[in-house]
Amino acid sequence: EVQLVESGGGLVQPGGSLKLSCAASGFTFSGFSMHWVRQASGKGLEWVGRIRSIPDNYATAYAASVKGRFAISRDDSKNTAFLQMNSLKTEDTAVYYCIRGSGGWFDPWGQGILVTVSS
Amino acid sequence: SSELTQDPAVSVALGQTVRITCQGDSLRSNYASWYQQKPGQATILVIYGKNNRPSGIPDRFSGSRSRNSASLTITGAQAEDEADYYCNSRDSSGNLFVFGTGTRVTVL
Repeated sequence: EVQLVESGGGLVQPGGSLKLSCAASGFTFSGFSMHWVRQASGKGLEWVGRIRSIPDNYATAYAASVKGRFAISRDDSKNTAFLQMNSLKTEDTAVYYCIRGSGGWFDPWGQGILVTVSS
Repeated sequence: SSELTQDPAVSVALGQTVRITCQGDSLRSNYASWYQQKPGQATILVIYGKNNRPSGIPDRFSGSRSRNSASLTITGAQAEDEADYYCNSRDSSGNLFVFGTGTRVTVL
């Protein structure tokens, strides 16, 4: 069974940093791109960014709203993806999902992890 | 534009057919994927590619694309189909992704 489990969320002050982890199991992690998607409470889904697999040189791409502040990385030896979030703003408050990418769609989704940016 | 626009809400009588649309320029060259969200449950993929359903998704769900729009059709809607639905596709550059604004489906 494919599983993705996010961790590392919590409360952080504006301007602070937080690093989310995504532990994957049940599939060949190194062969897939990994994406991060977020959803503020009562709002819609927002694609945050992705990291491709080693054949594509681990290329990353980000939504305009987080570019320059967030960075995605991965450790294929540990089947784990990361989302480093810097210069956090109150509007970054959301549930963050780590999702496997495949051919332009996202599956499966986990329960996500809550990040709250507040003073 | 990289935006995908959906109607905020639609309703459908039990057993009837409902079509959810997603509009955006990027859909002229990219297929949409569709996601179902129910409160307290994990989001699930219901349609991807030209018109493909993941294992376990009922065949009453189907997808299509025309010009700058994509549609998700539920033929014979069931009570359990009541949920929020989001479309997604690559943006016009092909390098980023964008979600639609979401449609809440109510089954009457």
